[in-house]
Amino acid sequence: AQTVTQSQPEMSVQEAETVTLSCTYDTSESDYYLFWYKQPPSRQMILVIRQEAYKQQNATENRFSVNFQKAAKSFSLKISDSQLGDAAMYFCAYSFLGGATNKLIFGTGTLLAVQP
Amino acid sequence: DSGVTQTPKHLITATGQRVTLRCSPRSGDLSVYWYQQSLDQGLQFLIQYYNGEERAKGNILERFSAQQFPDLHSELNLSSLELGDSALYFCASRPGGLGDNEQFFGPGTRLTVL
Repeated sequence: AQTVTQSQPEMSVQEAETVTLSCTYDTSESDYYLFWYKQPPSRQMILVIRQEAYKQQNATENRFSVNFQKAAKSFSLKISDSQLGDAAMYFCAYSFLGGATNKLIFGTGTLLAVQP
Repeated sequence: DSGVTQTPKHLITATGQRVTLRCSPRSGDLSVYWYQQSLDQGLQFLIQYYNGEERAKGNILERFSAQQFPDLHSELNLSSLELGDSALYFCASRPGGLGDNEQFFGPGTRLTVL
């Protein structure tokens, strides 16, 4: 069974600094997607960034980038120039590309605090 | 705004009762997913429907059931409610075709069982 592990329950970063959130996963599949979702206090789930496993190039979305290490099954999120609005719970998620369903399997989340 | 709507936003009920949560997917999306977010279980997949048919089941209790109607909206029915069913229930939708795997989440329904 696929699993997603986030080993950092809480992280803190100073405004304008850079922070990296860790995620590891376990799967025997070769084709899959990985995602980082942000959940602010409003509880809305917001997609931050996604990575297709077959792509070697790390995904980037403005201040957000990932370090995808397929062999190590590691998928970390780097937030550059942190802003107060980045404070939220961040969830790493996995989705198998093939098969009948593309359900998301989530990690337990990392609560990010941004200090002014 | 993701384009996915869920009603009601909040629901407070008593143990033993039955409730129905409603989800309207984005226009044209054929797949609907239900997820439960609770303090002890985290975010977990419950069930998926695709174009009216059940596609996959996750950790969904037998007291829970769901369906997707011809207009593609979906309902999640929770019965014989227990205190532990208190959670945030999300609906998500995606087009359903191969390729793009992004799911779009609704704002959730907060269920409180007293």
